[in-house]
Amino acid sequence: GNSVTQMEGPVTLSEEAFLTINCTYTATGYPSLFWYVQYPGEGLQLLLKATKADDKGSNKGFEATYRKETTSFHLEKGSVQVSDSAVYFCALKKAGTALIFGKGTTLSVSS
Amino acid sequence: EPEVTQTPSHQVTQMGQEVILRCVPISNHLYFYWYRQILGQKVEFLVSFYNNEISEKSEIFDDQFSVERPDGSNFTLKIRSTKLEDSAMYFCASSPMREGYRTDTQYFGPGTRLTVL
Repeated sequence: GNSVTQMEGPVTLSEEAFLTINCTYTATGYPSLFWYVQYPGEGLQLLLKATKADDKGSNKGFEATYRKETTSFHLEKGSVQVSDSAVYFCALKKAGTALIFGKGTTLSVSS
Repeated sequence: EPEVTQTPSHQVTQMGQEVILRCVPISNHLYFYWYRQILGQKVEFLVSFYNNEISEKSEIFDDQFSVERPDGSNFTLKIRSTKLEDSAMYFCASSPMREGYRTDTQYFGPGTRLTVL
């Protein structure tokens, strides 16, 4: 079946460090891939998405590239800020179906 | 910016009691969803709803669960007889239509934490 696996957290970084959160997926066909972020006390917000192989989604300095050959969609940011502290969820969606999420990775950034 | 709202933020109930979780989706959205996240586990899909009927549901969404859009703004999830394992964070989401099709993007509320004792 379809599934998403993302790296276990928590991830603890100092401000301005480089961030990578790994995400791999299992799916038949060609799903769309997403990263959602949840800031403390808030709902899940769409951070970025990619709908086909080799697409790069980007937003707020975060990037992720849809890699079909490695079935991956790793999230990266060159220089994290304290305000990036949140829980990050990788997800996939096939047309006409619901989102399938990973477990979430907690990021904590200190100054 | 419009957002999905959910009430209450935290609900505590006794096992066997009925609970109703409430959501107000974004006003011009037409697809509505419920997801849940048991502590430490993945966010799991429960049900989607369109045009006043369920369009998709997971195996979690058994006869104990029901959804309703009682008026033009609210979307509710009812659990008839709660069990301990229903304790979780419940998220509501909605998505708009574009050019007659449901978009991929779902907008989530902040969640209701349900604790069953």
